[in-house]
Amino acid sequence: TQLLEQSPQFLSIQEGENLTVYCNSSSVFSSLQWYRQEPGEGPVLLVTVVTGGEVKKLKRLTFQFGDARKDSSLHITAAQPGDTGLYLCAVTQTGANNLFFGTGTRLTVIP
Amino acid sequence: EAGVVQSPRYKIIEKKQPVAFWCNPISGHNTLYWYRQNLGQGPELLIRYENEEAVDDSQLPKDRFSAERLKGVDSTLKIQPAELGDSAVYLCASSFSGLGSPLHFGNGTRLTVT
Repeated sequence: TQLLEQSPQFLSIQEGENLTVYCNSSSVFSSLQWYRQEPGEGPVLLVTVVTGGEVKKLKRLTFQFGDARKDSSLHITAAQPGDTGLYLCAVTQTGANNLFFGTGTRLTVIP
Repeated sequence: EAGVVQSPRYKIIEKKQPVAFWCNPISGHNTLYWYRQNLGQGPELLIRYENEEAVDDSQLPKDRFSAERLKGVDSTLKIQPAELGDSAVYLCASSFSGLGSPLHFGNGTRLTVT
């Protein structure tokens, strides 16, 4: 059983469109992180959300942590080709700094 | 500031051969991680070091995998003998100690076992 399920697994959209990707679990977490990974590179941290219901914005990216701290969403407004990549959510294990990653959403933005 | 450095970037070996990966973390980062990432999936933790001590190696297949971080700085991950199913990207990451410290990843070593 996967701790973190991400959906959709693949997403291909035209430049300028909006999109939302999801990260879901049956477990409660104290915090959740979102990473973006481009081909041939390691994941890069985008944001950490901590409080239930928290919303954080990073330019055209909006991240929300669910009220119950079991799920999160990432919304991208007016997607650009530079947004192409693998989007990963991740959580830490209680009492340790080990990151557990979700299954990932591979986003392709077509110019 | 230099990031996490990994080498080699690519490695192609035949099954049953040994292989080793090297990682140099960001200076001052006490915690070092090795992850494995299969194609189209998220990374999975293999082992975590706090300085030179392996504090979590529960996911490391110890029959063929080994790792060391002798001086608490750089680290090597070894597979002997390699199997076809070991083909993946091996990622190294580092962070300061303490909960919530962000992880910084290297660009990985892509291993292909033929």
